[in-house]
Amino acid sequence: QQQVKQSPQSLIVQKGGISIINCAYENTAFDYFPWYQQFPGKGPALLIAIRPDVSEKKEGRFTISFNKSAKQFSLHIMDSQPGDSATYFCAAVMGGSEKLVFGKGMKLTVNP
Amino acid sequence: DAGVTQSPTHLIKTRGQQVTLRCSPKSGHDTVSWYQQALGQGPQFIFQYYEEEERQRGNFPDRFSGHQFPNYSSELNVNALLLGDSALYLCASSLFMDITIEAFFGQGTRLTVV
Repeated sequence: QQQVKQSPQSLIVQKGGISIINCAYENTAFDYFPWYQQFPGKGPALLIAIRPDVSEKKEGRFTISFNKSAKQFSLHIMDSQPGDSATYFCAAVMGGSEKLVFGKGMKLTVNP
Repeated sequence: DAGVTQSPTHLIKTRGQQVTLRCSPKSGHDTVSWYQQALGQGPQFIFQYYEEEERQRGNFPDRFSGHQFPNYSSELNVNALLLGDSALYLCASSLFMDITIEAFFGQGTRLTVV
């Protein structure tokens, strides 16, 4: 059972464009939603995270939008750069747990 | 600060063998979690160690076991290897019950079972 569903599986954008990655969850016990970035041969690295009491969080070019009623959240990458080319994972953590539940990931390619 | 270090980086084993993977957490962290990442998939939680005890476990068989040492470093052991165990094994360190601050991942150990 996949608890966090991520889409699309891959995305190609031009330099300067906006990249949007969507995630959906079922379990309302999740109360922490991080996004991770993974480059080939490396482990995932935390990009940005949000809690469900906030509808939006922005850090530089990265913005998380959170819709609690729809149980959906998304990552927006503004002014996408070739260096952003990586695999992006949404994740969720249940209150009182230490376990990260990951989506399947989305491979982003930013063309110069 | 070296961050989270894992060894070895690559490993090839034969079906039925046993393997041990190692992880040193980021300085100041006391909790180690292990994840399995199959090709093209997101990481799957195996288990977590704190104070040398397994605190949480994911949906993995008993062939997967672990250990945490007094210096917080950890080992992941997999017995009776199957072809399906081929994956990237990731170690993440954090402070206990403080994962929302940040979990730092190592670069992983690529295990290939032939």
